[in-house]
Parts: sequence; C-alpha cells; structure tokens
Amino acid sequence: SQTIHQWPATLVQPVGSPLSLECTVEGTSNPNLYWYRQAAGRGLQLLFYSVGIGQISSEVPQNLSASRPQDRQFILSSKKLLLSDSGFYLCAWEGQAGPQHFGDGTRLSIL
Amino acid sequence: KQEVTQIPAALSVPEGENLVLNCSFTDSAIYNLQWFRQDPGKGLTSLLLIQSSQREQTSGRLNASLDKSSGRSTLYIAASQPGDSATYLCAVSLSNDYKLSFGAGTTVTVRA
Repeated sequence: SQTIHQWPATLVQPVGSPLSLECTVEGTSNPNLYWYRQAAGRGLQLLFYSVGIGQISSEVPQNLSASRPQDRQFILSSKKLLLSDSGFYLCAWEGQAGPQHFGDGTRLSIL
Repeated sequence: KQEVTQIPAALSVPEGENLVLNCSFTDSAIYNLQWFRQDPGKGLTSLLLIQSSQREQTSGRLNASLDKSSGRSTLYIAASQPGDSATYLCAVSLSNDYKLSFGAGTTVTVRA
C-alpha cells in the first residue's frame, strides 16, 4: 500500500534562518506531488506541484522554493524565513486517477 | 479563478442526527470534486471523489452529490457519531490541471 511521510512534525525557526521540509512517498511510481500551506482560519493554498523529477510549477510568488530530486521525494525550502511563512505545511501525492493523499503536515512557527 | 465556498463554517448537532454540509463553486467546468476530513493538527483524509460525469458517490454512512450546472455539492453523513467531529473540506479541480481549489471548511461537532 502507498504511504506518505512528512518531517519534521513541528518546527520553530527564527526569522532569517533557512528551511528544509521533506516529503517522501512509498508504494507508487511517478506520482504527482504537491506542497500546500494552511494558515490559521484560512483554506489550503497550493504552493508547488510536480509531475516528474526536476519538474516544479509554482503557484504563488513567495519566499519559498521546491525541488524533486527523486521520483518520490519532494522538498520545500527557503533561504531566509519571514514571519509570514508561519503555517501548517502539507505534502500530498496523487496517482493517475486521484484522489490526493496527504501527509500529517509540519507545523512551522517563525519567531 | 475558481472560488469554493462552504456553508456553514461550523455546525454542532446531537449524536444520531444526520449532517448536511454544503459546497459551492463558481466555475462549473470542473474535472472532479473531492471531500476531505481533517482532524485538529492533522493532515487531510480523502473521503469521496466525484468525477464530473457522476452525480453522486457513497461510502458507508457518507453520500456526496454533485450538481455541476448549479455549481453545488452536498455531503450527507447519516446517523452522526462523536467520532465524526472534524473539519470537512471540499475541493474542486478544473480540467486535468492537477490543481485543487479548496473551500475553508465546515467544522462539525457531534455532541454525545
């Protein structure tokens, strides 16, 4: 069966520090991969999606970037975090016919 | 741009009552519609996926209907239980462009 792992579960970082969140998927090949952010009291916002290794599409201009170095690995990064980067970050994967399956999320707090 | 609205934002019912959650979207040219459940501090769990050619999907006590022409979907949960307490999110995708547009969710509390 397919599983998705996200880590860390929680993270507290100072403003201006770098960020690396990792997401890996097991039990499937060539999935579509997604990064979302959920801010308090707001819906999910799609940040990046990828349909293959090295293929990244960005949905909103921001302080973040994404990479897909391997088929089932998706990384969210930042060189310098801002206060506005705080939120709940969710990774998801999708096969050919949907639906999207989500990881447990990373709670990011910027101080 | 696709706008997805969920009403009500919160709902509290006694155990055993049926739940009716509403979702509306502005662009009827959707590829599919999905309903998710989110427990506090957790990721999303997929409940039902309705393709644009379908009118409803059922899974156990859950039934979701889709009316594309009016831009509406309804999630019915029969005989609610305290374990059904969670936030329910509706999401739609336009054509096969991989992107989901989410509503803000309906937070459900089922009182024992």
